[in-house]
Amino acid sequence: GQNIDQPTEMTATEGAIVQINCTYQTSGFNGLFWYQQHAGEAPTFLSYNVLDGLEEKGRFSSFLSRSKGYSYLLLKELQMKDSASYLCAPMDSNYQLIWGAGTKLIIKP
Amino acid sequence: GAVVSQHPSRVICKSGTSVKIECRSLDFQATTMFWYRQFPKKSLMLMATSNEGSKATYEQGVEKDKFLINHASLTLSTLTVTSAHPEDSSFYICSARDPRRDTGELFFGEGSRLTVL
Repeated sequence: GQNIDQPTEMTATEGAIVQINCTYQTSGFNGLFWYQQHAGEAPTFLSYNVLDGLEEKGRFSSFLSRSKGYSYLLLKELQMKDSASYLCAPMDSNYQLIWGAGTKLIIKP
Repeated sequence: GAVVSQHPSRVICKSGTSVKIECRSLDFQATTMFWYRQFPKKSLMLMATSNEGSKATYEQGVEKDKFLINHASLTLSTLTVTSAHPEDSSFYICSARDPRRDTGELFFGEGSRLTVL
């Protein structure tokens, strides 16, 4: 079957760094997306990885290891507005995104 | 960048009535749009794939006669929840891919929160 494994909830301090891990199993693989979803809102795109390695985009970076079925999202210089759910979504052989429940990130002052 | 707009953002209706939700791609043409439903603290659940000019493809367990999907143009797809019941109360979100981009990322509408009384 296809599944996503992410921590349900994480807590971090404003200004700090946090890493959200994701392991996945899919039927085929066409890249992996990270989305941010604030409570009551639709998801917004953060990053896309299709090759192994680290992709950096401002305060956010995303890493992928295809052989391990593993990705992480790294958030630096955390701000209160970063409090949200972070969704790891790999794309399978049919180009369908597979969604988990995401990781709720709580930022404390 | 690619923009997808959804309307209405919130709707409250009485049990037994029908509700229509619109999803528009504002700056690109979308031959395919995706409709999701999300319950609190749960993952996005794909309900159906809307195809311009043809019938929608429904996921297993989704009643096509209850959730009517119409994709009459390259920029508009609609989802109609017919004979709504309280258990249909949920957050409905549409999405589409911008064909100008290689990555295949989904752009989401703002979402529509349906409350059935």
